[in-house]
Amino acid sequence: AQTVTQSQPEMSVQEAETVTLSCTYDTSESDYYLFWYKQPPSRQMILVIRQEAYKQQNATENRFSVNFQKAAKSFSLKISDSQLGDAAMYFCAYKAGGTSYGKLTFGQGTILTVHP
Amino acid sequence: DTGVSQDPRHKITKRGQNVTFRCDPISEHNRLYWYRQTLGQGPEFLTYFQNEAQLEKSRLLSDRFSAERPKGSFSTLEIQRTEQGDSAMYLCASSPKDRDYGYTFGSGTRLTVV
Repeated sequence: AQTVTQSQPEMSVQEAETVTLSCTYDTSESDYYLFWYKQPPSRQMILVIRQEAYKQQNATENRFSVNFQKAAKSFSLKISDSQLGDAAMYFCAYKAGGTSYGKLTFGQGTILTVHP
Repeated sequence: DTGVSQDPRHKITKRGQNVTFRCDPISEHNRLYWYRQTLGQGPEFLTYFQNEAQLEKSRLLSDRFSAERPKGSFSTLEIQRTEQGDSAMYLCASSPKDRDYGYTFGSGTRLTVV
C-alpha cells in the first residue's frame, strides 16, 4: 500500500522569506502523480502544485516549486517570498497513474505559520 | 461553474441518530469522491463514484455508512446510528475522467456527534 509521510507537524516563516515543506512517500509503482494541497482555515482544499513521476523536471507555479527526488521518494515544496495568505495546513498527496482512478493518499499535513 | 457544493456546512446530532449529507459536484465532472478528515489529520478516502456507479469503498466505510449518486449527478452520504467516533469533516471532491491533475474539493460538512 502506498503511504505518504510529512515529518514536520508545524513550520513557520517570516513574510518574504523562503520555506521548504518535506514529504516522503512509499510506492512500488513507477507511474504516479504527486500533489501539494493547501487547506486554509476555511477548510476548502486547494491544489497548489502537481508533479508527474515520469517528468524529471521539477514543477513550478509562480512562488511555489517542488524538489522531486524519485529515487529517494522525496517530494518537498518550496514557497518563496512567503505571504501572509500562505498560512494554512499543507498536505502532500499521492495518486497512482495509468488507468487507475483518482484516489488520493494524503500525508498528515504541515501547519505553516507566516509571521509579519 | 460554482465549484463543488456541500450541504450542510455543519451538523450536530445526537448519538444514535441518522444523518445525510449532500454533495453537488462540478456539472461536467463524472468522478466523485468522499473523504473523511479528523482534526489535525489528512483526509482519508471513503468511496468513489464514476457516474452513478460506486466503484470502490474503503474499509473505513462500515455497514452504517451508505453513499449514492443517482443519475450520476449529486451524491449523498448517509450515516446510520451515529457514534461519537463519526465526528469529523466529510469532504466531497470531483474530477473529470480524462484529467489527472487533481480534484476540486468542496468546503466539507463538519459533523459533531454528541
